[in-house]
Amino acid sequence: AIQMTQSPSSLSASVGDRVTITCRASQGIRKDVGWFQQKPGKAPKLLIYDASRLQSGVPSRFSGSASGTDFTLTISNLQPEDFATYYCLQDYNYPFTFGPGTKVDIK
Amino acid sequence: EVQLVESGGGLVQPEGSLRLSCAASGFTFSSHEMNWFRQAPGKGLEWVSYIGSSGTPMYYADSVKGRFTISRDNAKNSLYLQMNSLRAEDTAVYYCAREASFDALDVWGQGTMVTVSS
Repeated sequence: AIQMTQSPSSLSASVGDRVTITCRASQGIRKDVGWFQQKPGKAPKLLIYDASRLQSGVPSRFSGSASGTDFTLTISNLQPEDFATYYCLQDYNYPFTFGPGTKVDIK
Repeated sequence: EVQLVESGGGLVQPEGSLRLSCAASGFTFSSHEMNWFRQAPGKGLEWVSYIGSSGTPMYYADSVKGRFTISRDNAKNSLYLQMNSLRAEDTAVYYCAREASFDALDVWGQGTMVTVSS
């Protein structure tokens, strides 16, 4: 199975900050990566698909990029509603695998 | 409104069985591939199973292979997960999710909790 490593595991940030989260795949997966936001007690929410495509309805402060097997989620101008846990997912092949998550909390 | 609603979770003893359902509405269910995911308390997300839009193919995580069976009834707009020989480590919130035409998991249900304990 493809392994997804994700860093950092947690970070503290302030409103207005720029935040970057990275995932690395254990092998080439084209650009078959999605990014999800999850708040406590809620289902995951799709933010980015195909590494860099913004899901409909998601604010443009969220962006994604890819370089080889490295994938990055960037949140510019962090807002109060962005404090949550973020997961990357490879949907290149089955079994789909997630990164372990990054918890973004308030500094 | 596009929606997925899971049901069927609950408390079950080890080695017991449970059948989860996922009711779809607001979209053409038969056109979409579907997946089950789960999340153990305080843990990350785990993919469990996949089913094609017409009912095949089906794929399973190694952790549930031989114990869980995914199925669907397109006439009833419903997805199912039959879980047998349940173990304590199957305790989790189970989510169903739709694959969009662009292959992203764009719609998720609210989840149903399964607790395996004696």
